Amino acid sequence: GESVGLHLPTLSVQEGDNSIINCAYSNSASDYFIWYKQESGKGPQFIIDIRSNMDKRQGQRVTVLLNKTVKHLSLQIAATQPGDSAVYFCAENGAGGGADGLTFGKGTHLIIQP
Amino acid sequence: KAGVTQTPRYLIKTRGQQVTLSCSPISGHRSVSWYQQTPGQGLQFLFEYFSETQRNKGNFPGRFSGRQFSNSRSEMNVSTLELGDSALYLCASHNLAGKGYEQYFGPGTRLTVT
Repeated sequence: GESVGLHLPTLSVQEGDNSIINCAYSNSASDYFIWYKQESGKGPQFIIDIRSNMDKRQGQRVTVLLNKTVKHLSLQIAATQPGDSAVYFCAENGAGGGADGLTFGKGTHLIIQP
Repeated sequence: KAGVTQTPRYLIKTRGQQVTLSCSPISGHRSVSWYQQTPGQGLQFLFEYFSETQRNKGNFPGRFSGRQFSNSRSEMNVSTLELGDSALYLCASHNLAGKGYEQYFGPGTRLTVT
């Protein structure tokens, strides 16, 4: 069945370095993807999204890359700060089929080392 | 604009009891979705309501139900609670229904079943 999964459960980076969080998806019909950030005790917070007609989208300090050929997307965070420590989820909510509602990956815990 | 609010934030119930959780979406949002988050299964879609009608339902037993009121507020109910129902229940809203859009999450209700 369809799934959206993350490669690494934990990622530790030095403050100020760039972070890259990866995500693989299995539904080739997926056409809309979202990255969420979840801090302890809070609900997921929308970071950035991308549609399948794009390969790259940039926000403030974040960039999402989509590679439809290998069904992979990544979230790049530039100059990581302590406040970036959180669990990051990729999610799919495309109109191209798949499960109803958002389909989430398992999450990557990003740890920022001082 | 105020964000999505959920009440109560924390709840402890006993096996066999039932529970009702409440969600108030962002003002103007007519779509409300519910998700269950557990360490083992991650974030899973429960159901979505739009204009008081259930549009989609995830793969959960009939003990999980919900409804939406004319002011877009939503409630979900879990009957005959089981230990495995212990989870963070998240509500998300959007002004449109269906796929292809991000959703905005509340802080969640932490349900513990003993």
